[in-house]
Amino acid sequence: GAVVSQHPSWVICKSGTSVKIECRSLDFQATTMFWYRQFPKQSLMLMATSNEGSKATYEQGVEKDKFLINHASLTLSTLTVTSAHPEDSSFYICSADPLQGTNTEAFFGQGTRLTVV
Amino acid sequence: RKEVEQDPGPFNVPEGATVAFNCTYSNSASQSFFWYRQDCRKEPKLLMSVYSSGNEDGRFTAQLNRASQYISLLIRDSKLSDSATYLCVVSTNDYKLSFGAGTTVTVRA
Repeated sequence: GAVVSQHPSWVICKSGTSVKIECRSLDFQATTMFWYRQFPKQSLMLMATSNEGSKATYEQGVEKDKFLINHASLTLSTLTVTSAHPEDSSFYICSADPLQGTNTEAFFGQGTRLTVV
Repeated sequence: RKEVEQDPGPFNVPEGATVAFNCTYSNSASQSFFWYRQDCRKEPKLLMSVYSSGNEDGRFTAQLNRASQYISLLIRDSKLSDSATYLCVVSTNDYKLSFGAGTTVTVRA
């Protein structure tokens, strides 16, 4: 299957700092990638849709100025958590579909476990 | 109301048992349905797509009931390796995925 690589796998940062998470499609091009957040024992919640070459589309309730998304190329999307606080501690995960627009299997990155202290 | 709701479980079953659980979805315009498996602290991985006529993949059987807006997953002859959280996933035409919170299955020896 298609490979989506996410980095870093885990990160611990101090409150007030910013953290950048990278999501790469290794063997396909992705004009669209999705960013999710998952709190313990809860479902994955879509945060935003990352669109190559244009602005991301954020879900209701997600602060676009806090969660900066950049999709500068067809294989890379980045999520930057700015001025992180302990309540931002969560499992962040990206996904992409190699067959864009066909609503088939989504492939996920390995996820990033963020802990803000 | 959540878009996708699942019984969180946990379902604790012995090896070899059959376990089944459902998921309901609220959007009648939903087009695609999936079961994903998520192991602890890992990314979700596709277990199987769910088709209108129902489908089977080895020991796993999925059913879709559009009228009642629910999906089911049945696991036969459970293995220890089946222990995981099973995520019900629904998609509409905009290709966004809506996830249930997951049903935890624990298979014991």
